[in-house]
Amino acid sequence: SDVLTQPPSVSVAPGETATIACGGDNIRGRSVHWYQQKPGQVPVLVLYYSGDRPPGIPERFSGSNSGNTATLTISRVEAGDEGDYYCQMWDSFIDRRKNVFGTGTKLTVL
Amino acid sequence: EEQLLESGGGLVQPGGSLRLSCAASGFTFSDYAMNWVRQAPGKGLEWVAVISGIGDFKFYADSVKGRFTISRDNFKDTLSLQMYSLRAEDTAIYYCVKSPIITAGIDYFEHWGQGTLVTVSS
Repeated sequence: SDVLTQPPSVSVAPGETATIACGGDNIRGRSVHWYQQKPGQVPVLVLYYSGDRPPGIPERFSGSNSGNTATLTISRVEAGDEGDYYCQMWDSFIDRRKNVFGTGTKLTVL
Repeated sequence: EEQLLESGGGLVQPGGSLRLSCAASGFTFSDYAMNWVRQAPGKGLEWVAVISGIGDFKFYADSVKGRFTISRDNFKDTLSLQMYSLRAEDTAIYYCVKSPIITAGIDYFEHWGQGTLVTVSS
């Protein structure tokens, strides 16, 4: 299957830890990347290769990949972290090479 | 500073055609694969197509295969998306997106343009 499934929403209080899962049959051993999209804005890369951060992304953002699930963890959540988060990976099977996005998760900071 | 500037969006009737363009600047265009990613109103992200740095490899989403063609002009630093047989479900903001390497498809989306809106409606 080429579907990456995420929970539709996650809510956390400021200062708490947010965990967003991304599940898919083909995730095992693959690089998963994560994007943040704030309302009305362009998506921004926040993690690549499952856990590396681009310049300017706080250390509070981290990632992991185990089994069929990749996870984005945001520690010490701030109000400015609110937005939609998408996972993404490249499906490299020879007959269906394509990029796949997750279904997206809306992070709400209470 | 890297910049990606999309153009060509607009209102088109079902079954019609449209050509999107993306002008790139601030980096060596031919050294990087380029993508189109779209987002329907109020919906999630959907990858559309990718082309390698020298244009020898192209891959498409199943939803657009046979209707859309991605191309690039490395002399003019321009990425294009020719869209045919447009449907209502193609209505979306179309983003021009840069990959971090020359190879098509196997990596993340490093830099996004501001997007151009395509509306397919009668």
